[in-house]
Amino acid sequence: GAGVSQSPSNKVTEKGKDVELRCDPISGHTALYWYRQRLGQGLEFLIYFQGNSAPDKSGLPSDRFSAERTGESVSTLTIQRTQQEDSAVYLCASSARLAPKAGELFFGEGSRLTVL
Amino acid sequence: DQQVKQNSPSLSVQEGRISILNCDYTNSMFDYFLWYKKYPAEGPTFLISISSIKDKNEDGRFTVFLNKSAKHLSLHIVPSQPGDSAVYFCAASVKGNTPLVFGKGTRLSVIA
Repeated sequence: GAGVSQSPSNKVTEKGKDVELRCDPISGHTALYWYRQRLGQGLEFLIYFQGNSAPDKSGLPSDRFSAERTGESVSTLTIQRTQQEDSAVYLCASSARLAPKAGELFFGEGSRLTVL
Repeated sequence: DQQVKQNSPSLSVQEGRISILNCDYTNSMFDYFLWYKKYPAEGPTFLISISSIKDKNEDGRFTVFLNKSAKHLSLHIVPSQPGDSAVYFCAASVKGNTPLVFGKGTRLSVIA
């Protein structure tokens, strides 16, 4: 498809389990971002990949969170030993590195995670 | 510590009238600002942006105003339409290429 694709769209898991969320960015977009939105909150930056540079992990809330990206394509966000406070919509976005308006992000529809 | 603040969680406006959504920021290094619109069960979509070298940017019914001295920006929608009903997020970055910092959003309801 032409847009950012995320899977699963919904995930319900038990506390303590690990989850993986996947993001397929727009083809040709070298920058990829993960954000999350907890209930009643704004979008919280988690991690950012830009080409072959080291990722900016400054937003990851704990060492239970990690993300990988294969080249300039698919990214996986992994949450280990999930906690109830991890419940949120996890949004992936991509942008073209040399976009004149580099702040313009194209978002996927998100993965809604519920930790029971 | 919220660097981007949208102090009104919701706003209701009659169709045809002006909608004004406000946003304040605390980081004086921010120099690129954007507004995103989000419908339920969809990802946010880019609406309009403004660089700090300008104080106004207009795109059809949407105008963004920036007051750097007050660290304040606003989005004006005129005339408002029912299809504008959505959550609007203000976002900011440094030099337009750092991860965007978002506000909590304002839910706009345009009543026919």
